[in-house]
Amino acid sequence: AQTVTQSQPEMSVQEAETVTLSCTYDTSENNYYLFWYKQPPSRQMILVIRQEAYKQQNATENRFSVNFQKAAKSFSLKISDSQLGDTAMYFCAFMRPSGYALNFGKGTSLLVTP
Amino acid sequence: DSGVTQTPKHLITATGQRVTLRCSPRSGDLSVYWYQQSLDQGLQFLIQYYNGEERAKGNILERFSAQQFPDLHSELNLSSLELGDSALYFCASSSPSAGTAEAFFGQGTRLTVV
Repeated sequence: AQTVTQSQPEMSVQEAETVTLSCTYDTSENNYYLFWYKQPPSRQMILVIRQEAYKQQNATENRFSVNFQKAAKSFSLKISDSQLGDTAMYFCAFMRPSGYALNFGKGTSLLVTP
Repeated sequence: DSGVTQTPKHLITATGQRVTLRCSPRSGDLSVYWYQQSLDQGLQFLIQYYNGEERAKGNILERFSAQQFPDLHSELNLSSLELGDSALYFCASSSPSAGTAEAFFGQGTRLTVV
């Protein structure tokens, strides 16, 4: 079974600063997908960014980018120019080839302060 | 709006009772997933249906069951409810054939067992 580990239960960052959230995973698969989901206080699960394992290029979505290290099985999320609205729980998730269920980490609670 | 609709949003019921949670996936999505989010267990995959057929099972209790109907909506049935079943239940849908692997989440049903 695949395991996803987020070693930072809580983090804090000041507005406009940069923060990096860590995620490691364990799998014997070669093809898979990795995701970061954001869960604000509203509890809605919102996809932040997606990475296909066969792509070497790190995914980027506006202020959000990832550092994907396949050999190290590491998938960190960098949030640049942090905004108050980024305050949320962030979940790292693993998916076997497309169509399978997501396997989530325990989450990192991020607080952005003024 | 993710396009995935879950009803009801909130549900309060007594121990020993049975409830049904409903999910309408995004238009065209054939896969439906159910997840349970609780404070102690985090986000756990329960069960997946694909085009009416059960595809995968996760940590779903025997007291819980699900089905997907010909119109692709899905229902999660929880019976003999216990206090520990209190949680946020998410439904997600995806279209693996689209090749994106992205799962879209509903807003969840907050179940409180008293």
